[in-house]
Amino acid sequence: QKEVEQNSGPLSVPEGAIASLNCTYSDRGSQSFFWYRQYSGKSPELIMSIYSNGDKEDGRFTAQLNKASQYVSLLIRDSQPSDSATYLCAVGSGGYQKVTFGTGTKLQVIP
Amino acid sequence: DGGITQSPKYLFRKEGQNVTLSCEQNLNHDAMYWYRQDPGQGLRLIYYSQIVNDFQKGDIAEGYSVSREKKESFPLTVTSAQKNPTAFYLCASSMSNGYTFGSGTRLTVV
Repeated sequence: QKEVEQNSGPLSVPEGAIASLNCTYSDRGSQSFFWYRQYSGKSPELIMSIYSNGDKEDGRFTAQLNKASQYVSLLIRDSQPSDSATYLCAVGSGGYQKVTFGTGTKLQVIP
Repeated sequence: DGGITQSPKYLFRKEGQNVTLSCEQNLNHDAMYWYRQDPGQGLRLIYYSQIVNDFQKGDIAEGYSVSREKKESFPLTVTSAQKNPTAFYLCASSMSNGYTFGSGTRLTVV
């Protein structure tokens, strides 16, 4: 059974701080890694994808991947109250991106 | 605008009744998926389809059925065999870079 593990939180950070969200996965053959943001009662929204080791930056978001450690993280700089949501880590292997989702980390940004 | 449309947004099912959830996409994506989300359990894969007229069971397919007669459409039927169907159902499609999700259908048994 392929597993994706996340701390359920809540992770509370003050406004303007850096939020760090972490995820580990069990399948060493995984090739694609995604972070989704899900507001309460809404559907997930893709915010970052990463496929190779290292960092990938997009605005205030940075995804980090370490395949040797089977670890992927998401950093949110200058956190805003609007970033308060559940963040889902998803890991894919094989064609057509059939992915396995973690249970999500709830982030609370305190004004 | 391209996207995925799920309907209805809310659905109520009586005991012993089959219900069908609609999912339509105009993104020209080959692959489509159905997930179920329960509180605190994340997303679990019900069925997926990589091409028209072909689909595969996911991790929790029992009590569900699907069809893929057109590239744009991937309806999900929740049958009376599904004993605990109350959940948030999400349809998604993909090409090469992650999923695009519909807005979801919230199904409740009454």
